[in-house]
Amino acid sequence: DAGITQSPRHKVTETGTPVTLRCHQTENHRYMYWYRQDPGHGLRLIHYSYGVKDTDKGEVSDGYSVSRSKTEDFLLTLESATSSQTSVYFCAISDSSGSSYEQYFGPGTRLTVT
Amino acid sequence: EDKVVQSPLSLVVHEGDTVTLNCSYEVTNFRSLLWYKQEKKAPTFLFMLTSSGIEKKSGRLSSILDKKELFSILNITATQTGDSAVYLCAVRTTGNQFYFGTGTSLTVIP
Repeated sequence: DAGITQSPRHKVTETGTPVTLRCHQTENHRYMYWYRQDPGHGLRLIHYSYGVKDTDKGEVSDGYSVSRSKTEDFLLTLESATSSQTSVYFCAISDSSGSSYEQYFGPGTRLTVT
Repeated sequence: EDKVVQSPLSLVVHEGDTVTLNCSYEVTNFRSLLWYKQEKKAPTFLFMLTSSGIEKKSGRLSSILDKKELFSILNITATQTGDSAVYLCAVRTTGNQFYFGTGTSLTVIP
């Protein structure tokens, strides 16, 4: 398995509170991604990073921000959580060289906003 | 707008049946198409296809890509209950973004 961990794995928070999810990789891959997965919508890209301090928005980026200060860590922040952000969040990594064109996923974080 | 569409949405079959899952796409700057299997956890990688007409095989699973008609199929022969899962199709662009379909839910009945 690709070396990707996510923390926390489960979180319950209240509406209006800030939340930060962490993704950590040991593969030294260049690209990192945050997705959310909801019934009927599949996996939707929130933000992605193509290098340290280089990030870009995905299709559902409103209400989310990201930061990548080190190759191995990619943080997703909900500045003020809303109930519509209740979801399962997956981090993924990929590269663009050798056999690493595939994208590998972390175990996921289940976030509930009450 | 880039999109990936999978069909059928769900499928119920008996053990031993053969199934075909479909994935069509309209994505600019296509680079590759990927198939994943998702049981009640993170998606796990199955295949990556970049060239038309070259079938990828892994045991009872196989997949092929048609870049002219913009679709791919995933075949599973002699299905087993362990094949029950959601199968996801994704397209990678040259800009290294990934677009996912909503998946096909496969249930294999003993």
